[in-house]
Amino acid sequence: KNQVEQSPQSLIILEGKNCTLQCNYTVSPFSNLRWYKQDTGRGPVSLTIMTFSENTKSNGRYTATLDADTKQSSLHITASQLSDSASYICVVSFIKAAGNKLTFGGGTRVLVKP
Amino acid sequence: IAGITQAPTSQILAAGRRMTLRCTQDMRHNAMYWYRQDLGLGLRLIHYSNTAGTTGKGEVPDGYSVSRANTDDFPLTLASAVPSQTSVYFCASSDSGTGLGAYNEQFFGPGTRLTVL
Repeated sequence: KNQVEQSPQSLIILEGKNCTLQCNYTVSPFSNLRWYKQDTGRGPVSLTIMTFSENTKSNGRYTATLDADTKQSSLHITASQLSDSASYICVVSFIKAAGNKLTFGGGTRVLVKP
Repeated sequence: IAGITQAPTSQILAAGRRMTLRCTQDMRHNAMYWYRQDLGLGLRLIHYSNTAGTTGKGEVPDGYSVSRANTDDFPLTLASAVPSQTSVYFCASSDSGTGLGAYNEQFFGPGTRLTVL
C-alpha cells in the first residue's frame, strides 16, 4: 500500500529558530512531491512542488529537499515567524493507469512561540 | 477573485438526513475534487471530476455522490448521513485532472465542518 509518513507529529520552536520536517514515502511509481501549509481552520496552501529530477526547491523561508532514491523529503523553515504556526502536509503523487493519484501524509503541526 | 468557496462553513446534522455541500470555483479549472480530513489522518479523496460532465470515485466514495453539470460547481451530497461522516470536507480544483505526469497544483477551499449526530 502506498504510504506517506511524516515526522515529527508536532513540534514547538522559538521564534527566529530553524526547524526541519521529515517525509518518508513508499509511493511508486513516483510523479511528484508537494508540501502544503494548512493554517488552523483553513484549507491547505501549496508551498512547493518537485518532480523526481529536482532535489531542492525554495519558497521564501521554506526550502524543500527530495531524495528520490531513498524516498525521503524534508521541509526546512528558516528564521521561523509566529505566522509559521500551522500544519505542514507532505503529498506524493504517483502514477496509475487511470492517471495520477495523490497520497497525503498526516501532517506535522508546528507551533512557533515568541 | 474569490478562488474556491464552500458552503456552509459548518453544519450539525441529524443522522439519516440528506445534505449537500456546495463548492464553487471561479478560476475556470477543469478538475475538481472533494476530500475529507479526519484527525490524525491525511486528506482522503472522496470523488473527483476531471472535466465538466465527468466524475470518478476516489479512495472513500461510499455514502457520497457528486455531480458536475458545469465547470464552476461541484456539489457533494450525503444521501443519508451517518455519524462516521463527521469530518471536515475540503473542495479543491486544478487546471487539469489526473492525467499521466500531471503536475497541477490543487487549490483548496476553506472547508466545511460537518457533524452528524
